[in-house]
Amino acid sequence: NAGVTQTPKFRVLKTGQSMTLLCAQDMNHEYMYWYRQDPGMGLRLIHYSVGEGTTAKGEVPDGYNVSRLKKQNFLLGLESAAPSQTSVYFCASKLDGETQYFGPGTRLLVL
Amino acid sequence: SQQGEEDPQALSIQEGENATMNCSYKTSINNLQWYRQNSGRGLVHLILIRSNEREKHSGRLRVTLDTSKKSSSLLITASRAADTASYFCATIPTNAGGTSYGKLTFGQGTILTVHP
Repeated sequence: NAGVTQTPKFRVLKTGQSMTLLCAQDMNHEYMYWYRQDPGMGLRLIHYSVGEGTTAKGEVPDGYNVSRLKKQNFLLGLESAAPSQTSVYFCASKLDGETQYFGPGTRLLVL
Repeated sequence: SQQGEEDPQALSIQEGENATMNCSYKTSINNLQWYRQNSGRGLVHLILIRSNEREKHSGRLRVTLDTSKKSSSLLITASRAADTASYFCATIPTNAGGTSYGKLTFGQGTILTVHP
């Protein structure tokens, strides 16, 4: 049971490039979330999903898209990366309780 | 916008001492959770306290909640060097007429350093 995994661990992009971050969970969780964490700030919710095939916007969705084609995977896409998207990205999942289980994070640097 | 404000931003203590961190929030909540983040790692859930609870214990952790003041505190007793981490409070706001879908709103965190 690997829990929540994220790939890649670290990535450097140039402004305007695109990429997809993958989050996978093997706990059969319904809910999945993408957050970003910036220095001096807590985590902010980007997008979330309440089940396979569903997605919804969080607090800071602009510049990101998501997809949940399979229950175990939640993808976060950046179509045209900007320096303001330099951050650490965390994925989390939960079943029907309140506790969220977090992945180890992806560090993204946009030059 | 951040729901929670944490105080202090950083705390440095010696092993064996107690560490107290505070969290204030703005809106009515269903529950408040505390998470821990070791450097370079993801967050780990520590404890959850519901809006109708005033105090909760888990091992060396004690959490209090004062809904009238919209504040919570996390006490770590007999701290250890391994407790060095960032600690975040997170809330699920009350959402009349709908569901929150478990969306958490995080505070800015307290960086705790415990010196051996």
